[in-house]
Amino acid sequence: GIQVEQSPPDLILQEGANSTLRCNFSDSVNNLQWFHQNPWGQLINLFYIPSGTKQNGRLSATTVATERYSLLYISSSQTTDSGVYFCAVPPSLDLTDSWGKLQFGAGTQVVVTP
Amino acid sequence: NAGVTQTPKFRVLKTGQSMTLLCAQDMNHEYMYWYRQDPGMGLRLIHYSVGEGTTAKGEVPDGYNVSRLKKQNFLLGLESAAPSQTSVYFCASSPYVGVRYNEQFFGPGTRLTVL
Repeated sequence: GIQVEQSPPDLILQEGANSTLRCNFSDSVNNLQWFHQNPWGQLINLFYIPSGTKQNGRLSATTVATERYSLLYISSSQTTDSGVYFCAVPPSLDLTDSWGKLQFGAGTQVVVTP
Repeated sequence: NAGVTQTPKFRVLKTGQSMTLLCAQDMNHEYMYWYRQDPGMGLRLIHYSVGEGTTAKGEVPDGYNVSRLKKQNFLLGLESAAPSQTSVYFCASSPYVGVRYNEQFFGPGTRLTVL
């Protein structure tokens, strides 16, 4: 099945700093989601981004499916950005096999300090 | 809209006991999923359903059973709990839109401890 690798595994930021999180995947994909898991364990949808670039406030994401990576940008980080960021892609490009399933990366743990 | 809800939020079981986790969604989604998340790891798919009355195995199905008798509900059962099933369980749902798969939406999770 597809392999999903996220980097860096850990990131410590001072409030106000910018950062880039990366998600590499081993095969072509037709779907990709970014999630934020807050310190209380809740999974929050950030982006559904199979390709192209999207922005939502201080966060933006870019997926280049042909080169098998996606980037999540956090600008002017705040303490509320702390948590784990996951990317997830279908386990197979075969639409008759995927059934909307997602294969998760191990995540990037982000700590934003005041 | 409540979105995806899960019951219970927390549970402690003794080895060998059984229990059922309930997931409900009010978004009329076709697809539903059960994942588990172990410390320091991403989510892994246990079972999923592509419609009422259908279920299928995911990546880590052993020790679990599921049922989807109603479109809005997806139940996860543990027949004989083991300490290795201590985890946080997440339910998710997704609409079906043509041949492109839309995004998944997650419930708040159930923290299960098996002693």
